[in-house]
Amino acid sequence: EDQVTQSPEALRLQEGESSSLNCSYTVSGLRGLFWYRQDPGKGPEFLFTLYSAGEEKEKERLKATLTKKESFLHITAPKPEDSATYLCAVQGGSQGNLIFGKGTKLSVKP
Amino acid sequence: DAGVTQSPTHLIKTRGQQVTLRCSPISGHKSVSWYQQVLGQGPQFIFQYYEKEERGRGNFPDRFSARQFPNYSSELNVNALLLGDSALYLCASRAPGQEDEKLFFGSGTQLSVL
Repeated sequence: EDQVTQSPEALRLQEGESSSLNCSYTVSGLRGLFWYRQDPGKGPEFLFTLYSAGEEKEKERLKATLTKKESFLHITAPKPEDSATYLCAVQGGSQGNLIFGKGTKLSVKP
Repeated sequence: DAGVTQSPTHLIKTRGQQVTLRCSPISGHKSVSWYQQVLGQGPQFIFQYYEKEERGRGNFPDRFSARQFPNYSSELNVNALLLGDSALYLCASRAPGQEDEKLFFGSGTQLSVL
């Protein structure tokens, strides 16, 4: 069964304190691994798609990496506006939909 | 350009009632998906429609149904509401020619069942 597990559930950082969020997955035939950001009361907002092990993508203070079993979202020198829930999702070979993890709630304090 | 729009934003129903949620995709997008997000959980797939045809269905009971109209807007219907149906219902659209599931989500409809 395709499955996504994210850790930690919640993460509190001071502004400027870099860290990483983890997403471990099991899927038959990975078509893509996705990272989304979700603010309270809003729908998820697309950040990255990774397709194969070794791939990396960056956007501002965020960098996503992918191995055969997990993905990391690295946050460098975070700011309070980076506070949100970060969702990881996979798309498997036998289906067209996304399977989401429960998310990591990130709080960045000034 | 307008993003994915959903209506209503909030809804309160009682057990046993029926509800219809509406979604308009981004202009030019022909694929619409519905997801249910229970508080503290990630979104869970309900339906996917493309060109007015159902292309996928998640593990939800037959009380859940959906359709897509010629203008690519969509409705999600839930009959015989249960307390456990309380959730944020998200609609998402996908750009034409996009082979992966890079989705654009609306802000959702928050459904409360009392």
